[in-house]
Amino acid sequence: AQSVTQLGSHVSVSEGALVLLRCNYSSSVPPYLFWYVQYPNQGLQLLLKYTSAATLVKGINGFEAEFKKSETSFHLTKPSAHMSDAAEYFCAVSDVDSSYKLIFGSGTRLLVRP
Amino acid sequence: NAGVTQTPKFQVLKTGQSMTLQCAQDMNHEYMSWYRQDPGMGLRLIHYSVGAGITDQGEVPNGYNVSRSTTEDFPLRLLSAAPSQTSVYFCASSYTGQGRSGNTIYFGEGSWLTVV
Repeated sequence: AQSVTQLGSHVSVSEGALVLLRCNYSSSVPPYLFWYVQYPNQGLQLLLKYTSAATLVKGINGFEAEFKKSETSFHLTKPSAHMSDAAEYFCAVSDVDSSYKLIFGSGTRLLVRP
Repeated sequence: NAGVTQTPKFQVLKTGQSMTLQCAQDMNHEYMSWYRQDPGMGLRLIHYSVGAGITDQGEVPNGYNVSRSTTEDFPLRLLSAAPSQTSVYFCASSYTGQGRSGNTIYFGEGSWLTVV
């Protein structure tokens, strides 16, 4: 069965610093991969997705992620953190033939220090 | 743009009561699903539907029922609420295909349920 591991339940960075949120998946076949962001008491907003096109995916709010098949990873990065980036981030994966079913990681809460 | 609409947003139930969480989408998506979110566990799939009249179980289906009589609506029923069902519930919809929105799941704003 598919699984997703997000390393670090909390990540703290200074404003202006690099943001790196880690995500590894378990699958012998490249899946579809997603990053979602959740602000307090709100729903999930799609940041970006990988669906077997370019391995470097650019998303909203300056985020990007790179699909690395050899490492089974899909880490999320942003060159310079803003205070408004403070939120919880979820990595998720689906099988290509059942993209309507997501398996989520446990989430990483990003804290941005002034 | 309405997207995926869930009601109610907040609900408190007593143990043993039943209730229905409503979900509607206006994007003509073929797929709809319900997830629950618990601290430290991400979101887990409860039930899903691949079209009107077709539903199936997800990872954590026990204690929940669903039906899909129309493309737009996908209600989630709690048959006899238990404290373990205290959670945040998210309805979602999607379609398969090319384009920016294809193979992407869109979520509602969530329903906060407390069972006492």
